[in-house]
Amino acid sequence: QMQLVESGGGVVQPGRSLRLSCGASGFTFSSYAMHWVRQAPGKGLEWVAVMSHDGNKEYYGDSVKGRFTISRDNSKNTLFLQMNSLRAEDTAVYYCARDRSRGGNYIMDVWGQGTTVTVS
Amino acid sequence: QAGLTQPPSVSKGLRQTATLTCTGISSDDDDEGAAWLQQHQGNPPKVLSYRNNNRPSGISERFSASRSGNTSSLTITGLQPEDEADYYCATWDSSLSAWVFGGGTKLTVL
Repeated sequence: QMQLVESGGGVVQPGRSLRLSCGASGFTFSSYAMHWVRQAPGKGLEWVAVMSHDGNKEYYGDSVKGRFTISRDNSKNTLFLQMNSLRAEDTAVYYCARDRSRGGNYIMDVWGQGTTVTVS
Repeated sequence: QAGLTQPPSVSKGLRQTATLTCTGISSDDDDEGAAWLQQHQGNPPKVLSYRNNNRPSGISERFSASRSGNTSSLTITGLQPEDEADYYCATWDSSLSAWVFGGGTKLTVL
């Protein structure tokens, strides 16, 4: 079955960096765009970033632009999120999600369980 | 396209029909409308509908989406206790090259 497993979350001080990973299985990872979506405690969903299936295109939400970088290794079926200059407001559960398309503008149809990042 | 607006909460009785709204989607004819996701407490979101009422396999026909002008709606018929959850609309804003989520609606089934 299709599965996404996030890892790399934890407690980090403001201004420091953290790298999240998302391992994919059960589908052809290289055929799909991939997203990061986050949810602050008690708040709604916030889209963070998307990368096209081949890694050639990436887009970011305004709140993370210039600080976060999305990347992928199709040979290892893994998506990454490099988070720099972390702020308290980046505290959230970070979800990895598959897009049904190659470009990333269709729908996030498979979701991981999330990994928690606390900036404090 | 500005942000998407959803009412913070909706309450309906068991076996009744709830209609959740999402205002602010593009009114362009070429726009595919909003997607709808359901999230139970402590769980990741699950897609209920996308691109004008396409339902993923396994999603009940009790969930249906529609669009009128700049508002997308999710109608849930025959409300069940398990429908109590948070519901989010989302759309791709091609002018921003970004996804936009609504603030979410908490549905309470009385």
